[in-house]
Amino acid sequence: AQSVTQPDIHITVSEGASLELRCNYSYGATPYLFWYVQSPGQGLQLLLKYFSGDTLVQGIKGFEAEFKRSQSSFNLRKPSVHWSDAAEYFCAGRNAGNNRKLIWGLGTSLAVNP
Amino acid sequence: EAGVVQSPRYKIIEKKQPVAFWCNPISGHNTLYWYLQNLGQGPELLIRYENEEAVDDSQLPKDRFSAERLKGVDSTLKIQPAELGDSAVYLCASSDRTGADTQYFGPGTRLTVL
Repeated sequence: AQSVTQPDIHITVSEGASLELRCNYSYGATPYLFWYVQSPGQGLQLLLKYFSGDTLVQGIKGFEAEFKRSQSSFNLRKPSVHWSDAAEYFCAGRNAGNNRKLIWGLGTSLAVNP
Repeated sequence: EAGVVQSPRYKIIEKKQPVAFWCNPISGHNTLYWYLQNLGQGPELLIRYENEEAVDDSQLPKDRFSAERLKGVDSTLKIQPAELGDSAVYLCASSDRTGADTQYFGPGTRLTVL
């Protein structure tokens, strides 16, 4: 069955430190993969997406993610975290093709220490 | 370009009362989604529209929930009667079919049922 797994429920990092949020997927074919961020009381904002081409994807707010087929991963990274990055991060994916239903991970809550 | 618009942002009602949420998608987006998000969890799809047709409503509790998108643009989600367990955030998203069919979300409506 198709699934998206975010192994880390909660992560705390210090401001200025690097960040990596993990996302693993289970799909038969090439997936379309997305990272969204949700600040408290806000909707979901798209950070970046992968659906073809270069496996290293650049997004907004200084985030990037790398699609690694061999590891079934699409981890989100940022070299230096800012206090405003504290939020909930969701990974989502779907198969290319007519089934357009997104499968969502459970989210990773990021806290940033000053 | 305007994003997905939702109203109201917050709603507090007594149980057994009706409630309605409104969504206006991004201009030109034919696909509209309604999601439910409980605290600390990812979004759960309630219904997906392609233009005015509901193409996936398998997760919509049809005994009390209904939705419409009469002219294929804006949409209304209704709950009647509301129950305590309906307290959640209701998110609307829209997409077009280009690229990865990326979903863009509105700010959501936070519903509290007392």
